[in-house]
Amino acid sequence: EAQVTQNPRYLITVTGKKLTVTCSQNMNHEYMSWYRQDPGLGLRQIYYSMNVEVTDKGDVPEGYKVSRKEKRNFPLILESPSPNQTSLYFCASSLWATTDTQYFGPGTRLTVL
Amino acid sequence: KNEVEQSPQNLTAQEGEFITINCSYSVGISALHWLQQHPGGGIVSLFMLSSGKKKHGRLIATINIQEKHSSLHITASHPRDSAVYICAVIVVKDTDKLIFGTGTRLQVFP
Repeated sequence: EAQVTQNPRYLITVTGKKLTVTCSQNMNHEYMSWYRQDPGLGLRQIYYSMNVEVTDKGDVPEGYKVSRKEKRNFPLILESPSPNQTSLYFCASSLWATTDTQYFGPGTRLTVL
Repeated sequence: KNEVEQSPQNLTAQEGEFITINCSYSVGISALHWLQQHPGGGIVSLFMLSSGKKKHGRLIATINIQEKHSSLHITASHPRDSAVYICAVIVVKDTDKLIFGTGTRLQVFP
């Protein structure tokens, strides 16, 4: 089944404890992206990747890192999480770019205490 | 002011009603997505359009690029249409990114 998977789905952590949220797609998509969703603010783009080894900042990249070493995986890294990073995170992928159908992962609900 | 505005923010309807959700934007765009977010949180893509109109089942999406406006219509609404509907635009000057509206929450009652 064609899908985007994220792990973990739920995570409660403490300030400063490094964490990684994994994202994987099995559709051979070039474009991958991370978003956070907050009440009243909607979805906002954190980072995106057009291809392997090519990543770029979205609108809210502060406090996050990403890597794209393989086409299928695009992990989101929080080196030192803070409470303002408490949010619902979505990974998405598409065949080539933003003009293609976007496929979203199920979301990861992160709480930073 | 947000670059992408949706109206209404909340919408309730009786089963069978015709629904219209609006998306207006203040920037030049090349295309626009309509997405549906289920009550459980999952997001699915409904349409991507750059001009004119698209139809899929009971859903119709229209866009007027020059007037900076798009609409999503649901004909013969059903309780299973209850969800948050989100528009996202691809800005001409930065086509690698998506900018999202804050969504319209639709509840359809039997």
